[in-house]
Amino acid sequence: AQKVTQAQTEISVVEKEDVTLDCVYETRDTTYYLFWYKQPPSGELVFLIRRNSFDEQNEISGRYSWNFQKSTSSFNFTITASQVVDSAVYFCALSLLMDSSYKLIFGSGTRLLVRP
Amino acid sequence: DAGVTQSPTHLIKTRGQQVTLRCSPKSGHDTVSWYQQALGQGPQFIFQYYEEEERQRGNFPDRFSGHQFPNYSSELNVNALLLGDSALYLCAVSQWGRTLGNTIYFGEGSWLTVV
Repeated sequence: AQKVTQAQTEISVVEKEDVTLDCVYETRDTTYYLFWYKQPPSGELVFLIRRNSFDEQNEISGRYSWNFQKSTSSFNFTITASQVVDSAVYFCALSLLMDSSYKLIFGSGTRLLVRP
Repeated sequence: DAGVTQSPTHLIKTRGQQVTLRCSPKSGHDTVSWYQQALGQGPQFIFQYYEEEERQRGNFPDRFSGHQFPNYSSELNVNALLLGDSALYLCAVSQWGRTLGNTIYFGEGSWLTVV
């Protein structure tokens, strides 16, 4: 069975602190994709990053960085020097290639509150 | 900006009624999926449409049905509404047949409250 676990329900930090959001996934497939989405109060899921199962290279994009480790089935997300605008719910998702398209399996989300 | 338009943004229905939600993807995205997100939970896959056919379906009852039009837009219909159907309904668009780089974009969703 495929599953995504985000054990941190809510995290509260003070502005400028670094924060890491954890994501652990389960799948028996060898080909899969992992995603992170941000959901502000408006409801729209904003795409942040996509990583395929054959690419374990970590990535940095501005204040965001991602650490993908297949050995521990984890795909963690770090925000450096957090800002109030980073406050949102963050979802990790697992995608399986099925019939040339994808279905996303989401974790339960981590609510991040960045206080001024 | 994914350019996915959903309507209505908010609506209130009574138990037993029927509801239709709409999604219009931007140009180039021919595959539409629908997700249900209950309060405090992650989105759950309902079903997916491509070439006006349902291609995949999640674990949802037959009360949930859909349709895709030739212009790729889609509707989600829910019959005999239950209180538990109250949720944010998200439309997601992508391109069929692309293995690498197939990012899935979401709309802002339709907030449904059943009373």
